[in-house]
Amino acid sequence: QKEVEQDPGPLSVPEGAIVSLNCTYSNSAFQYFMWYRQYSRKGPELLMYTYSSGNKEDGRFTAQVDKSSKYISLFIRDSQPSDSATYLCATHSGGYQKVTFGTGTKLQVIP
Amino acid sequence: GAVVSQHPSWVICKSGTSVKIECRSLDFQATTMFWYRQFPKQSLMLMATSNEGSKATYEQGVEKDKFLINHASLTLSTLTVTSAHPEDSSFYICSAKRTSGNNEQFFGPGTRLTVL
Repeated sequence: QKEVEQDPGPLSVPEGAIVSLNCTYSNSAFQYFMWYRQYSRKGPELLMYTYSSGNKEDGRFTAQVDKSSKYISLFIRDSQPSDSATYLCATHSGGYQKVTFGTGTKLQVIP
Repeated sequence: GAVVSQHPSWVICKSGTSVKIECRSLDFQATTMFWYRQFPKQSLMLMATSNEGSKATYEQGVEKDKFLINHASLTLSTLTVTSAHPEDSSFYICSAKRTSGNNEQFFGPGTRLTVL
């Protein structure tokens, strides 16, 4: 079993839709949770960085962590064609522990 | 702030040659830098963790004599792929963690290596 599971998609939605991206993880020691956006042939860009359970909102993006069920989500409101990219969830247990990435979900927002 | 650059952005080389990739943190100091490899439609796989002034720590299955890492300063780490072969063709991405602050990693734009 992979430490972080993520549906690879692709996920296609119409412009303006609310997008829900999800990951599950298996290691209860993970404390920090990140979402990255990666455009084709580019490096990942950090979108959200959260610690422990709860919600964090930044503009159209909301990150949600439920440690009891080991489930992390990213919601994108009013999705735009420019949001079309691969979204990677990632997590680590703190300190200098290495970051573990999901495989990424490819999102396509159709105008 | 927190910009990481990589050079070159893409490189094509002949089999058996060596290729050096640079990773720089442009506006912050990074005690720790990471090197990842990403194959098409796959996630990032950590190759090694590089700490300034000390030897890199390689992940299991990564040949340290083939992938030479040098982290000579707080803003520069290099990855040299020695005696490259076609199976080394991949997207190599570095990331850097600030010397101070939390554990956020900032990624470079990646280097696409094609070995003929």
